[in-house]
Amino acid sequence: DVVMTQTPPSLSVAIGQSVSISCKSSQSLVYSDGKTYLHWLLQSPGRSPKRLIYQVSNLGSGVPDRFSGTGSQKDFTLKISRVEAEDLGVYYCAQTTHFPTFGSGTKLEIK
Amino acid sequence: EVQLVESGGSLVQPGGSLKLSCVASGFTFSNYWMDWVRQTPGKSLEWIGEINTDGSKTNYAPSIKDRFTISRDNAKSTLYLQMSNVKSDDTAIYYCTGGVVTHWGQGVMVTVSS
Repeated sequence: DVVMTQTPPSLSVAIGQSVSISCKSSQSLVYSDGKTYLHWLLQSPGRSPKRLIYQVSNLGSGVPDRFSGTGSQKDFTLKISRVEAEDLGVYYCAQTTHFPTFGSGTKLEIK
Repeated sequence: EVQLVESGGSLVQPGGSLKLSCVASGFTFSNYWMDWVRQTPGKSLEWIGEINTDGSKTNYAPSIKDRFTISRDNAKSTLYLQMSNVKSDDTAIYYCTGGVVTHWGQGVMVTVSS
């Protein structure tokens, strides 16, 4: 299995601040087609997960551009600029290059 | 609007069977590989398996070990998960997803307990 390691496990941030979440994979996530199938999800309290970013850096439909994703090979980062109250929840990275696996999640709380 | 609506979750005894359904709308169901993902209480997400667009090919996570079967009926825009010989570790919220992470249902709870 490809192990996805997310850090930190939790964050507490004030409205308007910026935060970054790291995700590292145990294997390269570059597929044979040259694309990297690393995605970011947000699970808001009491809700099912929602895709924020796909293939490292592409924003999902309706996702504000305060969210951005970077990285390559085995090392990826999600950045949230100007955090808003609605951003609270648990963020997961997920890879679908190999059989799909997910990170353990980063819980974002608002101060 | 894309919607995935799961049903069939319940309390089931260890060793028992259960079939989950997921009705899709708002997108062309027959064009999507579909998946099941589960989330154990307080823990992360685990991919269970997938089925291709016409239902002729399935792939499963090794941990499932032939106990679960995924199928679909494109005429009804419905995805299924047949669960057999269930164990307490199978207690989880089960999500129907499209493209693994692209579209998610609201989830359905399965509890395995005597």
